[in-house]
Amino acid sequence: GQNIDQPTEMTATEGAIVQINCTYQTSGFNGLFWYQQHAGEAPTFLSYNVLDGLEEKGRFSSFLSRSKGYSYLLLKELQMKDSASYLCAVRDHQAGTALIFGKGTTLSVSS
Amino acid sequence: TAGITQAPTSQILAAGRSMTLRCTQDMRHNAMYWYRQDLGLGLRLIHYSNTAGTTGKGEVPDGYSVSRANTDDFPLTLASAVPSQTSVYFCASSQDQGSTDTQYFGPGTRLTVL
Repeated sequence: GQNIDQPTEMTATEGAIVQINCTYQTSGFNGLFWYQQHAGEAPTFLSYNVLDGLEEKGRFSSFLSRSKGYSYLLLKELQMKDSASYLCAVRDHQAGTALIFGKGTTLSVSS
Repeated sequence: TAGITQAPTSQILAAGRSMTLRCTQDMRHNAMYWYRQDLGLGLRLIHYSNTAGTTGKGEVPDGYSVSRANTDDFPLTLASAVPSQTSVYFCASSQDQGSTDTQYFGPGTRLTVL
């Protein structure tokens, strides 16, 4: 089966850096996605990792270690608008389709 | 382009009634998905379709049915709604089910079953 764990809540201040961790257990790993979801809105794609290492995209970076079943999303220069839920999702080719989502991490950014 | 549209935006439904949630995409994506999102449980897959004419069951398919008559539309039907089906329902699509394909989500339908 699959299992994805991420912290339920995190807080940070404007301008700071925050790291949101995600650990997963899956039998047929085939890629890891991070999505952002503001309250009352749909999830939107942030990043994708399938090989080990860091993927950087502006203020957001995502890291993957397949041997450790571990990923993190790094948000730099935090802004109030970054207050949202961040969803870690894994694609497992043995599951056949779609994404398996973690329960999400709610990030609150204060001034 | 509109991307993915869902209708209705929200609905209150009496238990035992049937309802179809509509989902349409204009991106010519092959794969489409239905998720439900509940507080504390995250997004869970209900049904999926890899291509027009095919469908499959996800993690929580009981009480739901889908059809995929064409590429653009993927309706979700609740035959006899129960209060536990109160949730926010998201439709998503991707070009195909290859490993690099990103899923894009519709705006969601908030359903309350009383």
